Amino acid sequence: KQEVTQIPAALSVPEGENLVLNCSFTDSAIYNLQWFRQDPGKGLTSLLLIQSSQREQTSGRLNASLDKSSGRSTLYIAASQPGDSATYLCAVGGGGNKLTFGTGTQLKVEL
Amino acid sequence: NAGVMQNPRHLVRRRGQEARLRCSPMKGHSHVYWYRQLPEEGLKFMVYLQKENIIDESGMPKERFSAEFPKEGPSILRIQQVVRGDSAAYFCASSPQTSETQYFGPGTRLLVL
Repeated sequence: KQEVTQIPAALSVPEGENLVLNCSFTDSAIYNLQWFRQDPGKGLTSLLLIQSSQREQTSGRLNASLDKSSGRSTLYIAASQPGDSATYLCAVGGGGNKLTFGTGTQLKVEL
Repeated sequence: NAGVMQNPRHLVRRRGQEARLRCSPMKGHSHVYWYRQLPEEGLKFMVYLQKENIIDESGMPKERFSAEFPKEGPSILRIQQVVRGDSAAYFCASSPQTSETQYFGPGTRLLVL
């Protein structure tokens, strides 16, 4: 059974700082890995999708890496802004195309 | 291209009533997924459907819950005889093909009194 862990559970940083969010998973037989953000009381916004054959994906200030063999992914956020404050979720895509989610990292970027 | 639509956004039911949650996928998407987010817990997969077919329902409770995605119209998640433990946010997602990005709707927040 796939288990996904995200560390840290919560993070508070000053504006402008670069930061790294970590995600680990127990079963390396994955199809893809997806990073989302969730704002309070809202739905999920897809940030990046990495297919199992890829090592990383970039979108603007975001960069996600995937190391399937070690069961790890990182989300790097450059030059953080207050608008980046949200919960960041890592989800692993497995058989049947279902996503297994981590419990998230709650990020607060302070002025 | 409108995103994934879910309605209602909020639903209040008394114990024993039925809850019907609707999801319209993004245009051109034929794959629909339902997830549940219980209070203080992560999102959990419930069911994966393609048009008129249930592909994977391994996350669905065995009783009271059912899902469909008819040829015409939205996907429906139906919960019969709701109990307080069913109170949660229910999210629908869609994708154009398997192993592609899943796009999520805003969710339906169900409260059972």
